[in-house]
Amino acid sequence: DTGVSQDPRHKITKRGQNVTFRCDPISEHNRLYWYRQTLGQGPEFLTYFQNEAQLEKSRLLSDRFSAERPKGSFSTLEIQRTEQGDSAMYLCASSSQQWDFTEAFFGQGTRLTVV
Amino acid sequence: AQTVTQSQPEMSVQEAETVTLSCTYDTSESNYYLFWYKQPPSRQMILVIRQEAYKQQNATENRFSVNFQKAAKSFSLKISDSQLGDTAMYFCASGGSQGNLIFGKGTKLSVKP
Repeated sequence: DTGVSQDPRHKITKRGQNVTFRCDPISEHNRLYWYRQTLGQGPEFLTYFQNEAQLEKSRLLSDRFSAERPKGSFSTLEIQRTEQGDSAMYLCASSSQQWDFTEAFFGQGTRLTVV
Repeated sequence: AQTVTQSQPEMSVQEAETVTLSCTYDTSESNYYLFWYKQPPSRQMILVIRQEAYKQQNATENRFSVNFQKAAKSFSLKISDSQLGDTAMYFCASGGSQGNLIFGKGTKLSVKP
């Protein structure tokens, strides 16, 4: 296993188009997180899954955003009707939640540019 | 609401010297964790060091150590014997039992030869 994988690495889209990103976590990890990072800022939490259940969503996650993890393995993040303000790096992370908090491993991210 | 503040946008250090990055936080959680993550240019974020808030002893990982002052809500990172490969953005983060992290804005560290 080579770690958390995200696809695509870069995406340029026109305003108003829909985009979908994919994240493949480390195989034995049951928790998966999505973050957004804009230039000069730290990552901001968007949502997370434990197995296939989406347990928490940030208020940053507007109605245009939807995330799924249908079989508790890979996850997708879809943005509908993209806006220029959606331009950012979208980071995925995964962790193995046992009885204690454990390290979250991050992917390399998908950089979205909305033109 | 949880907040994490990093007051040093940029820092530089000479190779082999020691540098300290500052971080303050605020959280309403009684059981929480603190982290320093490193993000090299165009590369993925990796964990440098973590501290469980219930532990009084400061965490240490090789050249990296923290100064955790719980009452002051301060969590600084000390890098000893700085190396060129330490050049990166460093993010302080806090996390609770749910696992989602709150990050600061980061400190850009440049190690100069």
